[in-house]
Amino acid sequence: SQTIHQWPATLVQPVGSPLSLECTVEGTSNPNLYWYRQAAGRGLQLLFYSVGIGQISSEVPQNLSASRPQDRQFILSSKKLLLSDSGFYLCAWSEAGSMETQYFGPGTRLLVL
Amino acid sequence: SQKIEQNSEALNIQEGKTATLTCNYTNYSPAYLQWYRQDPGRGPVFLLLIRENEKEKRKERLKVTFDTTLKQSLFHITASQPADSATYLCAPTFDTGRRALTFGSGTRLQVQP
Repeated sequence: SQTIHQWPATLVQPVGSPLSLECTVEGTSNPNLYWYRQAAGRGLQLLFYSVGIGQISSEVPQNLSASRPQDRQFILSSKKLLLSDSGFYLCAWSEAGSMETQYFGPGTRLLVL
Repeated sequence: SQKIEQNSEALNIQEGKTATLTCNYTNYSPAYLQWYRQDPGRGPVFLLLIRENEKEKRKERLKVTFDTTLKQSLFHITASQPADSATYLCAPTFDTGRRALTFGSGTRLQVQP
């Protein structure tokens, strides 16, 4: 069966520090991968999605970036965190060639101070 | 631009009653629409998918309807239980070529024992 991992589970970082969040999927090949952010009490905001290695689509301009160095690995990064980057970050995957059902990871709660 | 509207106010109902949640969209009709459940601090979990040529879909105590004339989907939970308390998100998929879902902001359901 397929599983999705995210780490770390929680992170407290100072303003201006770098960020790297990792997401990996097991049990499937060539999945579509997604990064979302959810501010407290708000809806999901799609940040990036990827349909293959090295293929990244950005949904909103910001100081975050994403990379997909391997088929089932998706990384969210920032060179310098802002206070507004605080939130709940969720990684998700869907079957190759489909954007139907999405399966979400456990999330990373990021607090920028 | 496409809008997805879910009631931002929490829905409070008594245990055993039927909960009905609404998802409205503007402009184009989606090819299909999904409903997800999200518990606090967790990622969303897929519940049901209904296609544009389907009027109704059922799964155990859950029922989803899809009215392309009204541009609306209704999500029903019959014989509700306190364990059904969560936020429910709708995600219509529009045939725009964009390989990603857009989620509504969700409606929080609270089932009182």
